[in-house]
Amino acid sequence: GDSVTQMEGPVTLSEEAFLTINCTYTATGYPSLFWYVQYPGEGLQLLLKATKADDKGSNKGFEATYRKETTSFHLEKGSVQVSDSAVYFCALTGGGFKTIFGAGTRLFVKA
Amino acid sequence: DGGITQSPKYLFRKEGQNVTLSCEQNLNHDAMYWYRQDPGQGLRLIYYSQIVNDFQKGDIAEGYSVSREKKESFPLTVTSAQKNPTAFYLCASSPTPGTGELFFGEGSRLTVL
Repeated sequence: GDSVTQMEGPVTLSEEAFLTINCTYTATGYPSLFWYVQYPGEGLQLLLKATKADDKGSNKGFEATYRKETTSFHLEKGSVQVSDSAVYFCALTGGGFKTIFGAGTRLFVKA
Repeated sequence: DGGITQSPKYLFRKEGQNVTLSCEQNLNHDAMYWYRQDPGQGLRLIYYSQIVNDFQKGDIAEGYSVSREKKESFPLTVTSAQKNPTAFYLCASSPTPGTGELFFGEGSRLTVL
């Protein structure tokens, strides 16, 4: 079945450092791919999405490119802030009505 | 403001008791979902509903029940048959089923004493 694998955390960075959180997926067909963010004690919020190969999703300085050849959708940000500390989830939606989530990667950003 | 409201935010129950978690949305979305989140794990789908009076089991439906009598409401009952109910429960909705664009509530944390 469909699945999402993302790098284990926690990831600890200093403010203004470059961020990469790796995400790879297994799916039949052509899924849509997503990054969600969860701040402490809250629900998830959609951060960005891409619906077809080579699409780049972007929002709030975060970017991710849908790479079909490597089945990847890595999240990047050029300069993180303390306020970016959260848990980040990679997800996909295939042909059905289910959205499959990765295990989440916790990010800590130090001032 | 439009959104999804879950209540209660925190809930304690004794073993053997049923408990119902509320989820209300005023986004006029057709689809609604219940997920369970455990530490270090991703979200796992319990139940989902694409339309009023219809719902389907997700990956971990055993020990849970739902109803969808109104478009705005999708309550989840955690029954005594659920062997490990302590978890964080998240309700979500989507304007179009299957698009993957989910809007989440703030969650309900259930602790079984």
